[in-house]
Amino acid sequence: LAKTTQPISMDSYEGQEVNITCSHNNIATNDYITWYQQFPSQGPRFIIQGYKTKVTNEVASLFIPADRKSSTLSLPRVSLSDTAVYYCLVGDRTGAVGNQFYFGTGTSLTVIP
Amino acid sequence: NAGVTQTPKFQVLKTGQSMTLQCAQDMNHNSMYWYRQDPGMGLRLIYYSASEGTTDKGEVPNGYNVSRLNKREFSLRLESAAPSQTSVYFCASSEAYRAQETQYFGPGTRLLVL
Repeated sequence: LAKTTQPISMDSYEGQEVNITCSHNNIATNDYITWYQQFPSQGPRFIIQGYKTKVTNEVASLFIPADRKSSTLSLPRVSLSDTAVYYCLVGDRTGAVGNQFYFGTGTSLTVIP
Repeated sequence: NAGVTQTPKFQVLKTGQSMTLQCAQDMNHNSMYWYRQDPGMGLRLIYYSASEGTTDKGEVPNGYNVSRLNKREFSLRLESAAPSQTSVYFCASSEAYRAQETQYFGPGTRLLVL
């Protein structure tokens, strides 16, 4: 049973806006949605987090609809350095252990010159 | 402030050998985690320690044991390594065990089991 679902890969040209969507149908009421970025040969690092509606920081924006069953990470005007794998993280109320949370399989973003 | 450190960075084992992966954090975090990352599988939680003195199984605990030595250190042990345990292992920590807490990751340990 997949906890989150993301596209496996995406390509984008430099300077374009990129939107990556994550589906999380079993998100728990009190859970937040967090996105991480991972460069090759490095550990993931935090990008942005939200609970509802829209959140924006200096790196990205996060859009969450009212039902919270999905979220969209938006990267404005991407550059080559944004080439990375992006992970969506949410809690799972259906997990047998109760309060565990899972990373998605990630979306590999390639930015093309 | 080094954040999360892991040793070793790379290790080659023969099937049946044992080893311990070490992890330490200097952020005074209560919770620590061990993940493995395999191609096409994303990050999968092996074990976690919500607070000092507690450990619990994650999604893929079989073949591993952990020890929360103190608040700073969380080790992962492979008692009898198998080729299926060839992977990149990441340790992480967070202030508390909640999905909304930011996790800080170490640089990873690449393990090859022959």
